Amino acid sequence: SAVISQKPSRDICQRGTSLTIQCQVDSQVTMMFWYRQQPGQSLTLIATANQGSEATYESGFVIDKFPISRPNLTFSTLTVSNMSPEDSSIYLCSVGMNTNTGELFFGEGSRLTVL
Amino acid sequence: KQEVTQIPAALSVPEGENLVLNCSFTDSAIYNLQWFRQDPGKGLTSLLLIQSSQREQTSGRLNASLDKSSGRSTLYIAASQPGDSATYLCAAQRLTGAGSYQLTFGKGTKLSVIP
Repeated sequence: SAVISQKPSRDICQRGTSLTIQCQVDSQVTMMFWYRQQPGQSLTLIATANQGSEATYESGFVIDKFPISRPNLTFSTLTVSNMSPEDSSIYLCSVGMNTNTGELFFGEGSRLTVL
Repeated sequence: KQEVTQIPAALSVPEGENLVLNCSFTDSAIYNLQWFRQDPGKGLTSLLLIQSSQREQTSGRLNASLDKSSGRSTLYIAASQPGDSATYLCAAQRLTGAGSYQLTFGKGTKLSVIP
């Protein structure tokens, strides 16, 4: 497995502002993913952020709203831009450690509340 | 499009009871199936991963089975304890055309084990 650290763990934000979430992994990983969990809902994949390539966004998510950086094999950031109350969610970073099994591991999540 | 359903949505059992959580998926062309545990306000902890060629996996008091042909997986918890109280998520994984992985999550079963 891997130790996956996310910052901030939680934050309260004002409408119209932007917030950047950091994800740090204790080992080098190729595959990294960002998920969103809205209140009372399950997880939805936002984008895949593999190092060395542009992030790939899922349907319903766009780069202008959720820009992602992946500068190296242990770090990634997700920015939630121009936030509205509908963006209040837990945002989770996930990594794949074993390309054979595809097993994924998750960080503790970043809980954002937008007022 | 893959859809994952978990039944029941919530379950309350007395301590010591054995229990089964159910997961069904609509597309049997999965790469693997993963069970997670999520404590309130926390990230996901990987419990068990069953690869598509496997029928079951065991870890301690947990046993997960997979029947791809019927699109079902079960998570069996033996001798339940109050510490098992959490939301249990099932996720079906597929390989994408880009050689990456995509997890589709169910909404989870919220388990409460009563002392």
